[in-house]
Amino acid sequence: DSGVTQTPKHLITATGQRVTLRCSPRSGDLSVYWYQQSLDQGLQFLIQYYNGEERAKGNILERFSAQQFPDLHSELNLSSLELGDSALYFCASSVGPRDYGYTFGSGTRLTVV
Amino acid sequence: GIQVEQSPPDLILQEGANSTLRCNFSDSVNNLQWFHQNPWGQLINLFYIPSGTKQNGRLSATTVATERYSLLYISSSQTTDSGVYFCAVDGDYKLSFGAGTTVTVRA
Repeated sequence: DSGVTQTPKHLITATGQRVTLRCSPRSGDLSVYWYQQSLDQGLQFLIQYYNGEERAKGNILERFSAQQFPDLHSELNLSSLELGDSALYFCASSVGPRDYGYTFGSGTRLTVV
Repeated sequence: GIQVEQSPPDLILQEGANSTLRCNFSDSVNNLQWFHQNPWGQLINLFYIPSGTKQNGRLSATTVATERYSLLYISSSQTTDSGVYFCAVDGDYKLSFGAGTTVTVRA
């Protein structure tokens, strides 16, 4: 157990739907990062939050949004889902905004049908 | 952004063999990590190694930051070592990943 908890582990949904992925960072970590791993794109950085504030944005689609709550857990919302959004979504956490070791959760495998 | 190149892309080993995986990166970095993604998709952190050498059992890693490369050594490989090995570097508030080296260890 890495200490980073992601739920759910698996999700199957239909095109056009909306889903929410949840991440609880490791105890003491203030930064949360979201990554998408698809077969053709590899591991792509989506977005980072530090202590509730957005710090960096990567290749995140406008249909996707995220937030970090006061208790430091984070949610990634994916809407108007398309077949191409099927991927493994990882959350990672670190102590600071630019830090010395990132710990990854076990991921949420999203399948859009 | 920082470019990360890993080689070789694929590696097939006989159980018991040794191997070296390489990671080149295009700019100076604050952090470099090696991960193993197992067949179930889990990303396991192997090393945090922005510079120097570290060892953990049959695995060891060396990063030469001034020359912008890192090496991961697998000795006496086992079938459980199979999977994809990723190198990732920290630049601009995020980890940038290489494309990975897929390792297959045959019994």
